[in-house]
Amino acid sequence: DAKTTQPPSMDCAEGRAANLPCNHSTISGNEYVYWYRQIHSQGPQYIIHGLKNNETNEMASLIITEDRKSSTLILPHATLRDTAVYYCIVRVATTGFQKLVFGTGTRLLVSP
Amino acid sequence: EPEVTQTPSHQVTQMGQEVILRCVPISNHLYFYWYRQILGQKVEFLVSFYNNEISEKSEIFDDQFSVERPDGSNFTLKIRSTKLEDSAMYFCASRAGTGAKNIQYFGAGTRLSVL
Repeated sequence: DAKTTQPPSMDCAEGRAANLPCNHSTISGNEYVYWYRQIHSQGPQYIIHGLKNNETNEMASLIITEDRKSSTLILPHATLRDTAVYYCIVRVATTGFQKLVFGTGTRLLVSP
Repeated sequence: EPEVTQTPSHQVTQMGQEVILRCVPISNHLYFYWYRQILGQKVEFLVSFYNNEISEKSEIFDDQFSVERPDGSNFTLKIRSTKLEDSAMYFCASRAGTGAKNIQYFGAGTRLSVL
């Protein structure tokens, strides 16, 4: 699985958009980008994933660059409850038993 | 929304004792996992389980660990003789099948404290 690089921490004001970047320059053609988050010590929570097209769901949007070497997770209107560690994980979706390899992620602090 | 359920939420045990951590995966899921997270560290993969057998395990998952799906609904992690360094959050996860749309969902975790 390709390696990812994320900033260790970011701040965001409540109500503003939070844009969390992820670099995955060695991503291969069949690898997807997944985003999870972990609020305090709770279990990781799935947010969104994508291959090459931009994706949106009720939680967030995922923007993947055309060369697929980086992506951005967007929380359009961050709330205090979005304070968490956000993990970008790159992996092939259709083979193997698909363990997830977590890095250190980005610690997002949403402030009033 | 279906969820992965883990019990107990907190388990305290003495060093050398056996513990069993329990998980009820989402009902139609076929793939099961255990992860652990030592305080302040990364979430680490322990083991994956499919079709009633271990499909992959990490170096952490040594002979002291075992997993079982005893009755078609529960998925358990047993630590035979706990050590201080086994103190961690243990997360169970499950997934319906293969493919990009089959997401791995996690439980809230069991905090294991070994004294």
